[in-house]
Amino acid sequence: NAGVTQTPKFQVLKTGQSMTLQCAQDMNHEYMSWYRQDPGMGLRLIHYSVGAGITDQGEVPNGYNVSRSTTEDFPLRLLSAAPSQTSVYFCASTPGTGVHEQYFGPGTRLTVT
Amino acid sequence: AQSVAQPEDQVNVAEGNPLTVKCTYSVSGNPYLFWYVQYPNRGLQFLLKYITGDNLVKGSYGFEAEFNKSQTSFHLKKPSALVSDSALYFCAVRDIGYGNNRLAFGKGNQVVVIP
Repeated sequence: NAGVTQTPKFQVLKTGQSMTLQCAQDMNHEYMSWYRQDPGMGLRLIHYSVGAGITDQGEVPNGYNVSRSTTEDFPLRLLSAAPSQTSVYFCASTPGTGVHEQYFGPGTRLTVT
Repeated sequence: AQSVAQPEDQVNVAEGNPLTVKCTYSVSGNPYLFWYVQYPNRGLQFLLKYITGDNLVKGSYGFEAEFNKSQTSFHLKKPSALVSDSALYFCAVRDIGYGNNRLAFGKGNQVVVIP
């Protein structure tokens, strides 16, 4: 199993550009989430999904869109990048039933200039 | 609402000495508690979790954590620290009423093990 994969590893954008961060998992997990990690602030939840076709907002959703057309994929779209979105982005997946930990991808380091 | 506090920014410890990383939590109901570790330029790795039962939980790489309901704490411990334990450690909580993907994370503690 590859687990949770994310692409790209690094990205530099100019203010106003849009892009999509890719996330895929091969563990057949129902739940998937996107977090951003900023120094001294821990991980903050952006959006999450409890299954294909179902998404919801987390703690810091503004400026981001998500969709979940398949169980495996959960892309995160930045609509119009801003310097405040410079961060490290992590995707995670977990089973939907029982009490389980989340499995994290390796992260995408995004810089917006 | 659910939240986690990790009061120390950095924990320095000499190799071979006991390591403790502190965590306190706040939830409306009963908590599920987790510890993760992050090495430089990597994603988070799961160490251990508390669901119910024995207050002392054992996890990966010799780590353990003690759940204390009266003090709302879940401190991470290791009897003898290694230089390779130097990393960023995150405590996380979710209320029993939330799903597996609704964790609240603390800000993290940098652990530095000095040879």
